[in-house]
Amino acid sequence: DAKTTQPPSMDCAEGRAANLPCNHSTISGNEYVYWYRQIHSQGPQYIIHGLKNNETNEMASLIITEDRKSSTLILPHATLRDTAVYYCIVRVGTGGTSYGKLTFGQGTILTVHP
Amino acid sequence: DTAVSQTPKYLVTQMGNDKSIKCEQNLGHDTMYWYKQDSKKFLKIMFSYNNKELIINETVPNRFSPKSPDKAHLNLHINSLELGDSAVYFCASSRITGSNEQFFGPGTRLTVL
Repeated sequence: DAKTTQPPSMDCAEGRAANLPCNHSTISGNEYVYWYRQIHSQGPQYIIHGLKNNETNEMASLIITEDRKSSTLILPHATLRDTAVYYCIVRVGTGGTSYGKLTFGQGTILTVHP
Repeated sequence: DTAVSQTPKYLVTQMGNDKSIKCEQNLGHDTMYWYKQDSKKFLKIMFSYNNKELIINETVPNRFSPKSPDKAHLNLHINSLELGDSAVYFCASSRITGSNEQFFGPGTRLTVL
């Protein structure tokens, strides 16, 4: 799996957009970018994933650069409840018995303040 | 309704004991997983079961034995507990085998004294 690099921590004001970067310069053509978050004392929560096109769902938007070497997770209007550790994971897509083996690094601690 | 549930939430026990953690999912998913989150917060997969069949078994001591009585349940039994087993254990499930979109339970914090 491609290695990812994320800043250890970020701050964001409530109501503003939170932009969380992730570098994955060694990503392969068949690898997707997945984002999860872990709120304190809870299990990880899937947010979004993408291959090369930008993606949006009810939780967030994912912007992947054209060369796919980096991506940004955008929380458009951050709330206090978005304070969590955000993980960027690069994995081959769904399928097969060797897939689904998620490994979470240290992630980015996002703190949303009033 | 809770999608993936685990019991107990906290487990404190002595070294050498045997303990079990239970997991249930009501999502109708085919695949279930056990993950371990250590004191440094790294989260790594331990096992994966698809419809009661073991499909992933990472380098985990054989004191850890998963058991899946049916596809909605995946339990983790740990024999001869050691201090290093202290961690938070998460159960997860996914709709299909090998999916990277997984639903996690709330975790079980195991403390071995």
